[in-house]
Amino acid sequence: KAGVTQTPRYLIKTRGQQVTLSCSPISGHRSVSWYQQTPGQGLQFLFEYFSETQRNKGNFPGRFSGRQFSNSRSEMNVSTLELGDSALYLCASSPLAGAIYEQYFGPGTRLTVT
Amino acid sequence: AQSVTQLDSQVPVFEEAPVELRCNYSSSVSVYLFWYVQYPNQGLQLLLKYLSGSTLVKGINGFEAEFKKSETSFHLTKPSAHMSDAAEYFCAVSTNTGNQFYFGTGTSLTVIP
Repeated sequence: KAGVTQTPRYLIKTRGQQVTLSCSPISGHRSVSWYQQTPGQGLQFLFEYFSETQRNKGNFPGRFSGRQFSNSRSEMNVSTLELGDSALYLCASSPLAGAIYEQYFGPGTRLTVT
Repeated sequence: AQSVTQLDSQVPVFEEAPVELRCNYSSSVSVYLFWYVQYPNQGLQLLLKYLSGSTLVKGINGFEAEFKKSETSFHLTKPSAHMSDAAEYFCAVSTNTGNQFYFGTGTSLTVIP
């Protein structure tokens, strides 16, 4: 089975711009979660989608949004980028929703905001 | 709410020496516990997990961890470090009443030849 794929792998944007990141989960997985990883902060949970519905959301401003499509692929969008949004954004998929299921992580998208 | 503390941000060990990476959590309900490893420029990979049952959990690459409820700890150990073990290690906790994972800030393991 192919793993979780994320595109693009690297991205450079300017403050004030917006960005869309894409995640394709493992085939058959219906839950997709997004995390922001920064040095010293570790992984911060952004949101989780299951069957096209957002199940849970972390403590991030409304500039961060996401969606999931009927094929379970997911996108996250960050509007009005700030320097502090520079981070590695990780997507993880699992077969079903629920905190008992192992999460399979993609390689991440490294976003640099200048 | 749940939280995870990884007490050491960096742990240097000599090759073939034992490894211990510490993880403590706080939760008022039953927990599930996980250890993940991240190699440079890669995503996280599951090393091992505790859901229930035996408190000593064996994982991949010779790692194991012991769930100690009284100490709210889930330390990761390995008898002998290899150069290939150098990576970032993350402890995570979730609960059967919650919908998300909480990760620690990570421990960078350096293996010295």
